[in-house]
Amino acid sequence: GQNIDQPTEMTATEGAIVQINCTYQTSGFNGLFWYQQHAGEAPTFLSYNVLDGLEEKGRFSSFLSRSKGYSYLLLKELQMKDSASYLCAVMDSNYQLIWGAGTKLIIKP
Amino acid sequence: EPEVTQTPSHQVTQMGQEVILRCVPISNHLYFYWYRQILGQKVEFLVSFYNNEISEKSEIFDDQFSVERPDGSNFTLKIRSTKLEDSAMYFCASSEDGTSGANVLTFGAGSRLTVL
Repeated sequence: GQNIDQPTEMTATEGAIVQINCTYQTSGFNGLFWYQQHAGEAPTFLSYNVLDGLEEKGRFSSFLSRSKGYSYLLLKELQMKDSASYLCAVMDSNYQLIWGAGTKLIIKP
Repeated sequence: EPEVTQTPSHQVTQMGQEVILRCVPISNHLYFYWYRQILGQKVEFLVSFYNNEISEKSEIFDDQFSVERPDGSNFTLKIRSTKLEDSAMYFCASSEDGTSGANVLTFGAGSRLTVL
C-alpha cells in the first residue's frame, strides 16, 4: 500500500529552527510537495522537490532523498505565524497526490 | 493573485438531504479536484476532473457523489442522501497541468459541511 509518515505534532520556540521529517512508500514517484495549512483554512503550497537535494526558498527549505524515501522541511527564524500544520504529499506514478496526515507545529514565545 | 472560490463556506443539513457544493476554479486551469478533510484527519482525495469527465476517483467517491461542470466556470460536487459521516471540510482545487510532476494545486478556502 501507499504510505506517508510524518510526526503528529512538534513544538518549537520563536526564532529557532525546526525540521519536519517525512518518509514515504508509494507506487512510483513524480515529486514531493509540502503544503502549509492553518487551522480551518485551505492548504497552501510551500515547496516541490523531484530531484535529490535541498531547495531553499527564504526561511523555508525542503530536502529530498529518493533512495531513502525521505524528505524534510526546514523552517528557520520561526515566527508565531508559522504555527500551522505542515502536510507532506507525494505524487505517485498516476500523478495522484498521496497525502500525509500532517504535522501540527506549535510555536512558543 | 488568482484564486479558487468555493460556496457556501458552511452548510448545515439534515441527514438524508442532498447537498451541492460549488467551486469556481482558476480560469486558465484545466484540472479540477475535490478533496475532503474530516476534522483532525488527513486530506483525502475524492475525484479529479479533466476535459468534462472524471479522470480519477477514490474509493470514497461512490454512487452517493457526483461532479459536474455545468458551465464554463463552475465545478460542483453533489452529495446525495447525506450521512453523518459526510460531515467534513470539502476542498476544491485546480491546477494547470494534471499530467506533470510539478502539478501545484491551488486550493479554495473550503466548504464546511455539517450533517445533523
